[in-house]
Amino acid sequence: ETGVTQTPRHLVMGMTNKKSLKCEQHLGHNAMYWYKQSAKKPLELMFVYNFKEQTENNSVPSRFSPECPNSSHLFLHLHTLQPEDSALYLCASSQDATSGYNEQFFGPGTRLTVL
Amino acid sequence: GQNIDQPTEMTATEGAIVQINCTYQTSGFNGLFWYQQHAGEAPTFLSYNVLDGLEEKGRFSSFLSRSKGYSYLLLKELQMKDSASYLCAVIMGNYQLIWGAGTKLIIKP
Repeated sequence: ETGVTQTPRHLVMGMTNKKSLKCEQHLGHNAMYWYKQSAKKPLELMFVYNFKEQTENNSVPSRFSPECPNSSHLFLHLHTLQPEDSALYLCASSQDATSGYNEQFFGPGTRLTVL
Repeated sequence: GQNIDQPTEMTATEGAIVQINCTYQTSGFNGLFWYQQHAGEAPTFLSYNVLDGLEEKGRFSSFLSRSKGYSYLLLKELQMKDSASYLCAVIMGNYQLIWGAGTKLIIKP
């Protein structure tokens, strides 16, 4: 498999559930990102991992918890979410997060609906 | 604050030319990306500009004016498959990308 993959593609959960989103990149990159995409809004950067170290947490609520066990895998653990958290969650990777030119490669996203 | 503006939606005719504008006000600038995103799919890279001027790549061209904080994406010989959202993003510092909300392009036969 090539590129950036995400599972599941669709997820419906209640506010009391706990679930996890998974992202895997097969590009040999060292940086991985979680974004939230809501309708008609700009992509919101949530977390950045560079060489497995978290380098960015853009004031994301604690009900979102990232995990990066290695350079190829990234998880987003979800618990006690709110309906306003319903969105498309995109994972991306890039060569690293220290160079000026930083083309990011995106996965297809997980469409999350919180009831 | 950081701000990127793009039109919300544009409509064009198959075979025609369309220009999608992007203006930005950011405290730093290390380049500008254009991405294409079809409905329900991942954004995919189209172009990168860091110097002023026009970059041409097939039917797509991208222009940058750093002094004006302005870029545009030019799509020629439009095809139905070009119906998508087009996202403008500015590289702020080393890696931080600030994104516009995207322009939804509708192509009509």
